[in-house]
Amino acid sequence: DGGITQSPKYLFRKEGQNVTLSCEQNLNHDAMYWYRQDPGQGLRLIYYSQIVNDFQKGDIAEGYSVSREKKESFPLTVTSAQKNPTAFYLCASTYSHTATNEKLFFGSGTQLSVL
Amino acid sequence: GQNIDQPTEMTATEGAIVQINCTYQTSGFNGLFWYQQHAGEAPTFLSYNVLDGLEEKGRFSSFLSRSKGYSYLLLKELQMKDSASYLCAVRNSGYALNFGKGTSLLVTP
Repeated sequence: DGGITQSPKYLFRKEGQNVTLSCEQNLNHDAMYWYRQDPGQGLRLIYYSQIVNDFQKGDIAEGYSVSREKKESFPLTVTSAQKNPTAFYLCASTYSHTATNEKLFFGSGTQLSVL
Repeated sequence: GQNIDQPTEMTATEGAIVQINCTYQTSGFNGLFWYQQHAGEAPTFLSYNVLDGLEEKGRFSSFLSRSKGYSYLLLKELQMKDSASYLCAVRNSGYALNFGKGTSLLVTP
């Protein structure tokens, strides 16, 4: 079955540490996205990628970095510069970034907490 | 800029009908989406509207008025499993999906 896999389900970060969240899809989708969700808040866009080797900042990119070396993979690194990283992180994909009726397919999420 | 507003919480009785409203102000408009999200899980797609009017899909319907910047999600014959958050999202001219804060619906017996 095709889908989006995020790992790990739960992740803990120590002070000053960088951590990387994995996102893999086998849907043959061109576009991939990272959202952050805080309690009582909507999903906020961190980064997105329309195609391999290309990505753009979303609304809250500071303290995060991404790479898109393969079509299937879009890992997110939460750096030590992100002072409030505790949140639920969702990865998503669409077949095309420019088709207006494209719905997002989501992974099951990673809950990141600070020790 | 972009602003998407939804009620924070709603409560309804099993078997009843509930309407969840969403108002938006956006620079450019390329469609409105509704998603359902159970706690700790991924959002799942419910509906998409880009033209004015009502889209019906089983127990769920979604309405859009572009001139009023307004949409609603109508849930009929409520079931306990419908207790979840309902997210309104608008695709603007930049093709990104921007989400409201979500409406937490509690269905009671």
